[in-house]
Amino acid sequence: EIVLTQSPGTLSLSPGERATLSCRASQSVSSIYLAWYQQKPGQAPRLLIYGASSRATGIPERFSGSGSGTDFTLTISRLEPEDFAVYYCQQYGSSWTFGQGTKVDIK
Amino acid sequence: EVQLLDSGGGLVQPGGSLRLSCAASGFTFSSYAMSWVRQAPGKGLEWVSLISGAGGSTYYADSVKGRFTISRDNSKNMLFLQMNSLSAEDTALYYCAKSRHGLLSDAFDMWGQGTMVTVSS
Repeated sequence: EIVLTQSPGTLSLSPGERATLSCRASQSVSSIYLAWYQQKPGQAPRLLIYGASSRATGIPERFSGSGSGTDFTLTISRLEPEDFAVYYCQQYGSSWTFGQGTKVDIK
Repeated sequence: EVQLLDSGGGLVQPGGSLRLSCAASGFTFSSYAMSWVRQAPGKGLEWVSLISGAGGSTYYADSVKGRFTISRDNSKNMLFLQMNSLSAEDTALYYCAKSRHGLLSDAFDMWGQGTMVTVSS
């Protein structure tokens, strides 16, 4: 099973700042099989990025994904108030697994 | 509008069974693989099971293999999860989720609102 480890566990930032979230896989993942989701309290997850770097429908340009092999990154260029949430990475190339999540909270 | 409505959750005793349902609308249901994903209280997401669009292929997480059965009725646009031999570790909010395209290996682009399963005596 491919294990995804996200870091940091919590990221405390202010609106307008840049957020950089990391997702490391225990073995190589083809970049076409890596996704990022956002989850707010009391809500279902929302797909942000698929194929490591493609934004899902309706996702603002401030969200971008990058990476390959075992290291992937989600970047939020300038945090908006509605971006404070928990973010999960997921691989779907070998079964389906999620990282443990990174919480982005207001500093 | 694409919509997924989860239902069937509730309180069940350890060792008991429960059947979850997910009603889909707004897309050609039979063309898409569907999954169940769960989230224990205060915890992260755990993929549980996936079924192909036609229903001929099914996949399970090791934690539920042999106890849970995923199925679908494409004539009624319904997805199901039969859960047997439930234990406290199965307590979670269960979401149904739609694969983005018709591929098995794909991200999940639409999620239900979730249905809560609590296993307790």
